[in-house]
Amino acid sequence: AQKITQTQPGMFVQEKEAVTLDCTYDTSDPSYGLFWYKQPSSGEMIFLIYQGSYDQQNATEGRYSLNFQKARKSANLVISASQLGDSAMYFCAMRGSTGNQFYFGTGTSLTVIP
Amino acid sequence: DSGVTQTPKHLITATGQRVTLRCSPRSGDLSVYWYQQSLDQGLQFLIQYYNGEERAKGNILERFSAQQFPDLHSELNLSSLELGDSALYFCASSEGGGAGQPQHFGDGTRLSIL
Repeated sequence: AQKITQTQPGMFVQEKEAVTLDCTYDTSDPSYGLFWYKQPSSGEMIFLIYQGSYDQQNATEGRYSLNFQKARKSANLVISASQLGDSAMYFCAMRGSTGNQFYFGTGTSLTVIP
Repeated sequence: DSGVTQTPKHLITATGQRVTLRCSPRSGDLSVYWYQQSLDQGLQFLIQYYNGEERAKGNILERFSAQQFPDLHSELNLSSLELGDSALYFCASSEGGGAGQPQHFGDGTRLSIL
């Protein structure tokens, strides 16, 4: 069975500091994709970053990077130099090689403190 | 702007009624997904269509139905509405079924049942 686990319901970070949001997954698919989405209080879901299961290097997109540890089945999101606008809900998601369904975690609420 | 268009943005109706939510995917995307997001249940996958055919089904109630039309837009029909159906309904689209293709979300339809 496919499953995504986010164990941090809420996180706080000081502005300009880095923060890591945890995500672990479970799948029997040999090929899969891992994604992070941001949902600000306005409600929209914004795609942030993608990591493929066969990618050798960790994905980076601006201030976002994905710390991918395949053996541990973890795909943590690292946000560097946090900004007030980073305050939002963050969801980790996975898609298997069949591609029919995305599996989402329960989300982590991040609050950036000035 | 994700390129996914959902209408209406807000919908207020009464118990027992029926509503239709509409989604236009990003240009070129063949897959459409529907999600329900309520405060107590997080992001719940409802159903997926690929090029007009149903591909995966999640926690979709029998009172709910969906379809994808030849022009690839999709509609989610909710009938015999109950108070518990109040939620944010998202449509998302992706190019196809590959594990590496992210979903792009619309802004959602906020449904309130009075």
